[in-house]
Amino acid sequence: NAGVTQTPKFQVLKTGQSMTLQCAQDMNHEYMSWYRQDPGMGLRLIHYSVGAGITDQGEVPNGYNVSRSTTEDFPLRLLSAAPSQTSVYFCASGAGGPYNEQFFGPGTRLTVL
Amino acid sequence: GNSVTQMEGPVTLSEEAFLTINCTYTATGYPSLFWYVQYPGEGLQLLLKATKADDKGSNKGFEATYRKETTSFHLEKGSVQVSDSAVYFCALITTSGTYKYIFGTGTRLKVLA
Repeated sequence: NAGVTQTPKFQVLKTGQSMTLQCAQDMNHEYMSWYRQDPGMGLRLIHYSVGAGITDQGEVPNGYNVSRSTTEDFPLRLLSAAPSQTSVYFCASGAGGPYNEQFFGPGTRLTVL
Repeated sequence: GNSVTQMEGPVTLSEEAFLTINCTYTATGYPSLFWYVQYPGEGLQLLLKATKADDKGSNKGFEATYRKETTSFHLEKGSVQVSDSAVYFCALITTSGTYKYIFGTGTRLKVLA
């Protein structure tokens, strides 16, 4: 099993550009989520999904869109990148429910100039 | 609202020293509590968890006890090794409504030989 995969590993964008960060998991997990990690801020939840066709906002959703058309994939879209979105982005998946761990991808380091 | 507070780092210890990383939480209901570890350049991985009051989670020599009366989940290890150098995150998952993970800001541990 590949677990949780993320692409790309690194990305540099100019202000105003758009892009999609890809996330896929092969564990048939219902729960998927996106976090950003910034120095001194820990991990902050951007969006999450409890199953195909269902998404909801986390703590810091502004500037990001998500969709969940399949159980496996949960892409994160930046419609108009801003320097404040420079961060490391992690995708995670889990079996859901209150007792289960999340499995994290290796992360995408995004720089917006 | 729900939150997790961790002691600020970095924490620097000599090999074989005793480790404590403090974590307290605020939550409605009865959350499950987790410790995750992040090694350099990697995503987070579960270290241990506890799902109800007085539960003790343990793994790789690390332990943490779910203390409802003090709303705490402190991480301890009796004898740290250089290989334990990493960032440690305390987290909870809410159990009211849709399940959401909330992470602390992380504590960096550096162990010197």
